[in-house]
Amino acid sequence: GAVVSQHPSWVICKSGTSVKIECRSLDFQATTMFWYRQFPKQSLMLMATSNEGSKATYEQGVEKDKFLINHASLTLSTLTVTSAHPEDSSFYICSARETRRSGVNEQFFGPGTRLTVL
Amino acid sequence: QKEVEQNSGPLSVPEGAIASLNCTYSDRGSQSFFWYRQYSGKSPELIMFIYSNGDKEDGRFTAQLNKASQYVSLLIRDSQPSDSATYLCAVFTGGGNKLTFGTGTQLKVEL
Repeated sequence: GAVVSQHPSWVICKSGTSVKIECRSLDFQATTMFWYRQFPKQSLMLMATSNEGSKATYEQGVEKDKFLINHASLTLSTLTVTSAHPEDSSFYICSARETRRSGVNEQFFGPGTRLTVL
Repeated sequence: QKEVEQNSGPLSVPEGAIASLNCTYSDRGSQSFFWYRQYSGKSPELIMFIYSNGDKEDGRFTAQLNKASQYVSLLIRDSQPSDSATYLCAVFTGGGNKLTFGTGTQLKVEL
């Protein structure tokens, strides 16, 4: 399958600081990338859909001014958690969509970034 | 009704047995269905996808889809302890634009 990388894999920061997470599709171009958040023992919750060259689409209840998404190229999307607080501590996972020649869309996940806000 | 439903488990099976994981979905227009495996603390890993009614086999894994019943399942033959993980069912909803996940079924393969 296709490879998606994330950086950093884990980060610890002080409350009030901003944290940027990068997501890259390494061997394919992804016009659409997705950002998920997962709290312990819960399923993945989609935060936003990131389209190359346009504004991200946020899910209901996700603050767009707090979670800034930039999809500057077909292989890179970034999520910036601004003014992070302890309740933002979570496992953030990006996903990139590849469309096969058959027309079926497949989504591949990055390894995730564990954010801890002190 | 949730868009994608799974029994949270845990489902316990002995080593070597067949594990059967089930998933139902509400969007009748859904076309593509995916099974992911997630180990604790790791991100999901795609196992297989299916988009035609019937069975699709890949090694020890078989996905089964019944669109009339809005039901998709995953069978794992010759279960191994390394198969112990949470299995997530995912369906493209909203016209195929959004991948919606179930809450996952925890599988435990016991020696």
